[in-house]
Amino acid sequence: KNEVEQSPQNLTAQEGEFITINCSYSVGISALHWLQQHPGGGIVSLFMLSSGKKKHGRLIATINIQEKHSSLHITASHPRDSAVYICAVRSGGNEKLTFGTGTRLTIIP
Amino acid sequence: GAGVSQSPSNKVTEKGKDVELRCDPISGHTALYWYRQSLGQGLEFLIYFQGNSAPDKSGLPSDRFSAERTGGSVSTLTIQRTQQEDSAVYLCASSSQGADTEAFFGQGTRLTVV
Repeated sequence: KNEVEQSPQNLTAQEGEFITINCSYSVGISALHWLQQHPGGGIVSLFMLSSGKKKHGRLIATINIQEKHSSLHITASHPRDSAVYICAVRSGGNEKLTFGTGTRLTIIP
Repeated sequence: GAGVSQSPSNKVTEKGKDVELRCDPISGHTALYWYRQSLGQGLEFLIYFQGNSAPDKSGLPSDRFSAERTGGSVSTLTIQRTQQEDSAVYLCASSSQGADTEAFFGQGTRLTVV
């Protein structure tokens, strides 16, 4: 079992739909990151969370430390949101990131 | 610089040759990470540098892989006697000190071993 599990692995939705991507982890963490990777592109950090909720534009990230679970939400989804979304965690005392396998999101116009 | 810079962006090499990949982190960032992403796979940790501390090399897949960071800034990842399974995108990231700081990624170097 991977330390970081994401679901779904693939998600296709119509433009405008509300999107939720989930991340569960099995270790104690100091921080959780949500990253975005466009095809052929580099990786962009969307959020870093250690508790609660963060919002940036149409993106919202939440984390529940007790349940070891985080969600990334996209409101009013748009084709330009199509990308791979990756959850990554830092476990206590270890600064390296452990990554989930990613969720490939495709938004259809 | 404004962001993490990696070079080259693409590298094609013959099996058995050595390659060097370069990472120039954000100025002032003390932490530097190398990761790789093989085709269709997730991201895999390779090595981590923090200031003057001994690097965490626990992710290096074999002794053909090595990395150094000179002067606490630029880092070079060296792969000796490349194999086809080394083909991947090699990503570098940097952050300021501390486990609760954001990591910034470079665009990666796509290595193809033929």
